[in-house]
Parts: sequence; structure tokens; C-alpha cells
Amino acid sequence: DAGVIQSPRHEVTEMGQEVTLRCKPISGHDYLFWYRQTMMRGLELLIYFNNNVPIDDSGMPEDRFSAKMPNASFSTLKIQPSEPRDSAVYFCASSFIQSGNEQFFGPGTRLTVL
Amino acid sequence: GENVEQHPSTLSVQEGDSAVIKCTYSDSASNYFPWYKQELGKGPQLIIDIRSNVGEKKDQRIAVTLNKTAKHFSLHITETQPEDSAVYFCAASIGHNNDMRFGAGTRLTVKP
Repeated sequence: DAGVIQSPRHEVTEMGQEVTLRCKPISGHDYLFWYRQTMMRGLELLIYFNNNVPIDDSGMPEDRFSAKMPNASFSTLKIQPSEPRDSAVYFCASSFIQSGNEQFFGPGTRLTVL
Repeated sequence: GENVEQHPSTLSVQEGDSAVIKCTYSDSASNYFPWYKQELGKGPQLIIDIRSNVGEKKDQRIAVTLNKTAKHFSLHITETQPEDSAVYFCAASIGHNNDMRFGAGTRLTVKP
């Protein structure tokens, strides 16, 4: 298996623009997580899905952030409009409940908002 | 909610020495405690984990201990090597809901 796939790996955009980050979880995994990593706040859980259904979005910072999982093999995290303080590395992770809690992380998307 | 604290934030050791990283958690219901290693430019990768029904677990040079009463757990790396240099994160979760909270991370540097 190729592991969790994220795209793009790097994104540079200007303030006010819409940003869409993409994630393909490991095939067969039933949980998908979106995290944000910054120097100041560390690794923060934004939202997670179980069987494509959002379970907890309490970590989403504000209404500018939204996440979807239209099917078991694809999820998006959208920021509209983007702001400089959104600059961070965004990770997607997936797990399979029957194999325990281990979360497999993707390589991340480094977002820079100018 | 769960709060995980991790110490130290940076740790520098000589190759061959041992390294210890400590974490505390706040929610006594937490029952799953993984440790992740993050290398530069990559996502975190699980290196070892422990569940609340076990006090200690070892995998070659890596061991983790858990004290449920005190709500703290530790990562021990023996015979450190330069390739152990990375950022290490502890985490805690209540297994059934998969909501995992991470510590702030420890940057380990192993000097040759």
C-alpha cells in the first residue's frame, strides 16, 4: 500500500484565496483525521471522520474551515478565505479500528498564506 | 478534555547514551498511549504504544512505561544512535472514540 497520500505537498497562496487540501487514506481504513501543526500550538486535531461521517469537528478553528469526505477514499479540507495565520503543515491520518488505534500519517501539506 | 504535557522540549545526548522523555495526562479514562517519531519533512510515525492494562512494553532499544495512578508515561531509548535524532510526540486517547491528544513534542539530538 502506498500509505496515506496528500496533495499538494506545498501550497503558497495569497490572503483571501480559497485553499483546498486533499487526502487519500489507506484503503480499508475507516477513520480519517485532519491535523494542523505549528510551532506555537504543536499538533492539533481539527476534525475526524468515521465511515465518511464527521464525528468531531470541535477542533476546527472557525467557519472559514470546512472538511468533507464524499467517499471512503477521499477527503478535502478547505479554507475560504485564507489568512496568514493559517500558515502551517496540515496532516491527514487514517486508522482501522479493528487493528487498534494506530494512526498512519501522510507526508503533510505545507501551506503558506502571504 | 484530555490535556497532555511533555518534557523536556529539547534533549541532547551523546551517541550510546540513554534518552528519557516524560508525559503526563489529565483524563483518567484515557487508555491508549502511543509514541510517534517525526523526522524532518515527514509525518509522525508510530514507534511504540502501550495500553492501560500494561505497565511496561519493550521493543529492542525502545521501551515505554505507564503509571496509571500518577497518570504519567515515559519513553526510554537506550544505546542511542544519530538516526534516533528527530522530534518525538507522546499522545493519549480513550480508545473507543479515537480522539487523540498530542504532547508538544521533544526534539532529540544524538551527537556522534
